Amino acid sequence: QSALTQPRSVSGSPGQSVTISCTGTSSDVGGYNYVSWYQQHPGKAPKLMIYDVSKRPSGVPDRFSGSKSGNTASLTISGLQAEHEADYYCCSYAGSHTVLFGGGTKLTVL
Amino acid sequence: EVQLVESGGGLVQPGGSLRLSCAASGFTFSSYWMSWVRQAPGKGLEWVANIKQDGSEKNYVDSVKGRFTFSRDNAKNSLYLQMNSLRAEDTAVYYCATLFGPRYFDLWGRGTLVTVSS
Repeated sequence: QSALTQPRSVSGSPGQSVTISCTGTSSDVGGYNYVSWYQQHPGKAPKLMIYDVSKRPSGVPDRFSGSKSGNTASLTISGLQAEHEADYYCCSYAGSHTVLFGGGTKLTVL
Repeated sequence: EVQLVESGGGLVQPGGSLRLSCAASGFTFSSYWMSWVRQAPGKGLEWVANIKQDGSEKNYVDSVKGRFTFSRDNAKNSLYLQMNSLRAEDTAVYYCATLFGPRYFDLWGRGTLVTVSS
């Protein structure tokens, strides 16, 4: 049950795009199309941004998109805004009704 | 209003016990898998446990197996996490969340802080 691997930090300027990667194994990310992404602002509860690799819940803007290739999933945020500065976590189904989170990525908007 | 509200956190000595609760409202609680997710101070999210709609299946992260017990009362729209033999590394904010699928968390509570320290 090792955590999925995410970069500790990424950054970008307003209006730019950034991509956050999430690497697992064939037992989790690579084995299922069940990767989700969460945004967490300081002192707040996480918020679901992407589920099932690339689906957006109602209310999440289409500037947030997800994809997967092999054992690595990615979250892309286009048109960066100051409000996007937060921690982002990936999560994957890992079989037997268990899930695994990534270590988290701090997004800084320059 | 659709919400989850956790309670029961606090300061406990190593080796002690604590019982967390989570009250659900505004949705059909008995239709959802439910989970606890924790976050140690300054650290990332960690899935702790989940429970099936009728309570017939429970799953735990290895580090809490044998120490934590997850239960639910659908008549009261409530969850409970009994935590025994607590360790310093259990110190965290504990969130309850709905687990759709069960593969993603779509509704989260605000969390309750558990501090294990002498």
